[in-house]
Amino acid sequence: EVQLLGSGGGLVQPGGSLRLSCAASGFTFSDYAMHWVRQAPGRGLEWVSTISGNGGSTYYADSVKGRFTISRDNSRSAVFLQMNSLTVEDTAIYYCAKDLLEGSESWGQGLLVTVSS
Amino acid sequence: QSALTQPASVSGSPGQSITISCTGTGRDVGAYDYVSWYQQHPGEAPKLMIYDVTYRPSGVSDRFSGSKSGNTASLTISGLQTEDEADYYCSSYTSGTPRYVFGTGTWVTVL
Repeated sequence: EVQLLGSGGGLVQPGGSLRLSCAASGFTFSDYAMHWVRQAPGRGLEWVSTISGNGGSTYYADSVKGRFTISRDNSRSAVFLQMNSLTVEDTAIYYCAKDLLEGSESWGQGLLVTVSS
Repeated sequence: QSALTQPASVSGSPGQSITISCTGTGRDVGAYDYVSWYQQHPGEAPKLMIYDVTYRPSGVSDRFSGSKSGNTASLTISGLQTEDEADYYCSSYTSGTPRYVFGTGTWVTVL
């Protein structure tokens, strides 16, 4: 059974940093691209970032480019999202997801990130 | 790159059929058959209902079906049931950046 277990959400002040983690199990991790998708309170889903299976290619939404960094450790079957220079607009539930290209059946439980002073 | 356009809400009575549209551009929906549909109940993670425009994952009811014409994809729910009341989002792969784009979301009400 595929499982994605996220950790690292919380409350942070504007301008601060936070690192999200997502531990995967139940599939050959390095075979799949991994993604972060977020959902602001009462809003829709927004793609944030993608990393290829070998970690060699990364992609970002314009809204986070230059502030967020996606990475992965295939030896630990984990994907990370380092978030710097956070603003109130980054307040959202963050989901990790496996392989969005042909639809993702596997999503993490969602991590609440609140940016507030 | 803007979000794909969906109606804000759609409603129907139990047993009826409804269709949700998802309008994009020639860089996303019109260019690729990588259109997916997700169902999201409040407080839950999204659940994949349709992938690659028309395919249903194992375990998803055959009351859900997908199609595409040009830059517009559609999700049809037939035999509407009370448990179908939820938000529905389309998603597509896109050329360039962003790599993926989601729809604005549609709340389905079962009257």
